[in-house]
This record gives sequence, C-alpha cells and structure tokens, in this order.
Amino acid sequence: TQLLEQSPQFLSIQEGENLTVYCNSSSVFSSLQWYRQEPGEGPVLLVTVVTGGEVKKLKRLTFQFGDARKDSSLHITAAQPGDTGLYLCAGAPAGNMLTFGGGTRLMVKP
Amino acid sequence: DAGITQSPRHKVTETGTPVTLRCHQTENHRYMYWYRQDPGHGLRLIHYSYGVKDTDKGEVSDGYSVSRSKTEDFLLTLESATSSQTSVYFCAISGGVGTYEQYFGPGTRLTVT
Repeated sequence: TQLLEQSPQFLSIQEGENLTVYCNSSSVFSSLQWYRQEPGEGPVLLVTVVTGGEVKKLKRLTFQFGDARKDSSLHITAAQPGDTGLYLCAGAPAGNMLTFGGGTRLMVKP
Repeated sequence: DAGITQSPRHKVTETGTPVTLRCHQTENHRYMYWYRQDPGHGLRLIHYSYGVKDTDKGEVSDGYSVSRSKTEDFLLTLESATSSQTSVYFCAISGGVGTYEQYFGPGTRLTVT
C-alpha cells in the first residue's frame, strides 16, 4: 500500500475534454508537489502547494490542496495532446523524504 | 534545465554481475537521490545523500549500495544484479528536503537477463 494513492491510474480522453486527477492519503503533509513526466525523460515539477485549501493555477491546470492537507487534485481544462504524460504527486510527511504516488498516465487524443 | 547527467543511459547485464550507475550534477546541490521506477509503483527511493560521504537508506535499499566522494557525483552500485532489479533508474538533486523541488536526470534503463 502506497502512502499516496493516485486515481485514476490511466485516463484516455479526446482533445478539448476536461479531467481531474486525484492524490489521496491518510497522512498529513506539510506540502504536496505535482510532477509531469514525458516518455524517456525524468519528472519535471509543475507546482508545490503548501497551505490547506490552497488553489494554484498554471494556465489550463488547476491544483488544489485539501483543507486537511491529506489530499490534492489536478484539474485540466480543455485538454490538449501536449498534456499527454505521466502525472505524479509527491509529498514529504513531517519533513521526511519525498514519497511519490503511483502516477496517472494521461493520453489526450487529437 | 538543471545540469544532471546519468551514465550509462541504457545497459543490459547478466544476473550476478556487478553494475555501477553514475549521476553527475553541476548545480552544487547538497542532496542527491537514487530512485527506481516500475509500472504501478511510481518512483521509489533507493538511497540518498545529504553531503559528501553522508548517505542513508531509502524505501527499497536492499541489494544496492551508494557512494558520494565528491559533491557532484553520486554512484549507485548493484553488487550482484538480479532480474528483479530490471528497472529505470533516476537520479535527482535538491537544495533541501520537504518543499524543495527535486530536479531529475534523464534516467538509466537497466535490463538484467
């Protein structure tokens, strides 16, 4: 059982659709990070959320940190083929080492 | 892009042979990490370093050892490779822990036959 559970594991949608990816835990995190990984490359940080209830927007991507700091979501509006990739959430409980969720593999078809 | 390189990028080796993977950074970051990535498991921490000659175990350290003799280099060694160690290995660096961003290398795909 992973400390951070991501859902769904796989998502295949058409260009223009909206989607939400979830990252859940029973533990409290001081912060959560979201990374995107493209095939053959390492993950790249998209955002860090640090305050319970915080909402951050990055163009068409909206990130939310749960009020209790145990969960987070990533919402993509009007998905584009360039959004295709593996989305990973990561958190460091009580200042310990970063732990990653299992990832959500997104495919956006033109 | 953060200056992180990994070598080799691909390797095929036989069960029982020793293997060393190298991570090199030009960012002078204090922390360096080795992860393995397998389908359905995300990234799992193998070992990390918080300074020259200062290392500690991660979640999946059995069968792996590391060394850091210089700030810029972090080596991962599989003393006797097994098929269960077939994976993609990523090196990462960061300036600190917790909220600090981690910068990842391009990965090494290791196949143990």
